[in-house]
Amino acid sequence: DAMVIQNPRYQVTQFGKPVTLSCSQTLNHNVMYWYQQKSSQAPKLLFHYYDKDFNNEADTPDNFQSRRPNTSFCFLDIRSPGLGDAAMYLCATSRDRTYEQYFGPGTRLTVT
Amino acid sequence: EDKVVQSPLSLVVHEGDTVTLNCSYEVTNFRSLLWYKQEKKAPTFLFMLTSSGIEKKSGRLSSILDKKELFSILNITATQTGDSAVYLCAVEGSGNQFYFGTGTSLTVIP
Repeated sequence: DAMVIQNPRYQVTQFGKPVTLSCSQTLNHNVMYWYQQKSSQAPKLLFHYYDKDFNNEADTPDNFQSRRPNTSFCFLDIRSPGLGDAAMYLCATSRDRTYEQYFGPGTRLTVT
Repeated sequence: EDKVVQSPLSLVVHEGDTVTLNCSYEVTNFRSLLWYKQEKKAPTFLFMLTSSGIEKKSGRLSSILDKKELFSILNITATQTGDSAVYLCAVEGSGNQFYFGTGTSLTVIP
């Protein structure tokens, strides 16, 4: 089945220790999104790739970076995680910007 | 396997029409169901439903949850072009895990 896969599902990292979350898709979609979602809040868009074009949201901290080496994969790098970065990180894809989004299951990040 | 299914995937209506968007779910340890409206950027929160049979209303939008039949509907009356967006349904399960549907893409034409 075509899908969006996120690994790992749960990640524990130490304060200040870099961490990378991964997302892959078999849908061949052009757009890939990274969201941060904290408990009982709406997902907050961090950035998205339209093909190879990177689009950063204005209020996304510099601590968050992303890479998209090819159509199928996208990575979220958190350079120096703080306690406030503990959240669910959702990856989503869409054929184009105005089309429906397909979400992965998310990676729950805990920072100790 | 936990999942959220929205229908239809896309919808085109004329201004003034009433639309009903559907969200059905199979999620372990259901806690809440949320509706979001997404235009060009991040989703904006519309409603959170936790109790069955109680309608939430905001202007022309309303939503109701049926926990027995495991679905929710989002109604929009007297649609306007500004209602054009993707409407996302998400269900919260155990451990604050959220499961999103693919969304319904609504286009309202003048």
